[in-house]
Amino acid sequence: SAVISQKPSRDICQRGTSLTIQCQVDSQVTMMFWYRQQPGQSLTLIATANQGSEATYESGFVIDKFPISRPNLTFSTLTVSNMSPEDSSIYLCSVNRDTNTEAFFGQGTRLTVV
Amino acid sequence: AQSVTQLDSHVSVSEGTPVLLRCNYSSSYSPSLFWYVQHPNKGLQLLLKYTSAATLVKGINGFEAEFKKSETSFHLTKPSAHMSDAAEYFCVVTRLNNAGNMLTFGGGTRLMVKP
Repeated sequence: SAVISQKPSRDICQRGTSLTIQCQVDSQVTMMFWYRQQPGQSLTLIATANQGSEATYESGFVIDKFPISRPNLTFSTLTVSNMSPEDSSIYLCSVNRDTNTEAFFGQGTRLTVV
Repeated sequence: AQSVTQLDSHVSVSEGTPVLLRCNYSSSYSPSLFWYVQHPNKGLQLLLKYTSAATLVKGINGFEAEFKKSETSFHLTKPSAHMSDAAEYFCVVTRLNNAGNMLTFGGGTRLMVKP
């Protein structure tokens, strides 16, 4: 298993500002993922963050809006830049230890942009 | 390409009656499939997983699912619903891309349990 700590758990931010979300894992993992869950919706993958390489973004997500850092095998950050009310969502960090094994999720960061 | 369709966005059952949450998938290769549960204001918890072993998979809290390749289905069942089962349920299939292995989520099914 893996224990994932996400910070902050929730925040209310002004439009036009940026928020950085931190994800800390209790052990080393190769693959880390960032998801967005808009209100009442399912989870959508934003990007894959592997240590030592640039993050890989899914269609509809760009690095300028969601820059990601992955400085080591236990930590990653996601920044939501120049926020607008449409960015109000839950953002979740996830890890896989191996292909075809279950993913573990952080508790999520509930972001409200006003 | 992989995709997952959860056929019901909402399911309502009475406590003590069976639960059926339906999931169909498409995949260009033999997938791994999962069911996750999300309780209000809580994180995602794995209920069960299928990874090419036994087609009938038993999970936590009395849930089970059967992988049917011929029907491309992975429906979640429970013989008797409990009030604590009220939550959002996600059917998930693994997907590969250049960066590694990640998950494709279905749209979710909200299970409501009436007393």
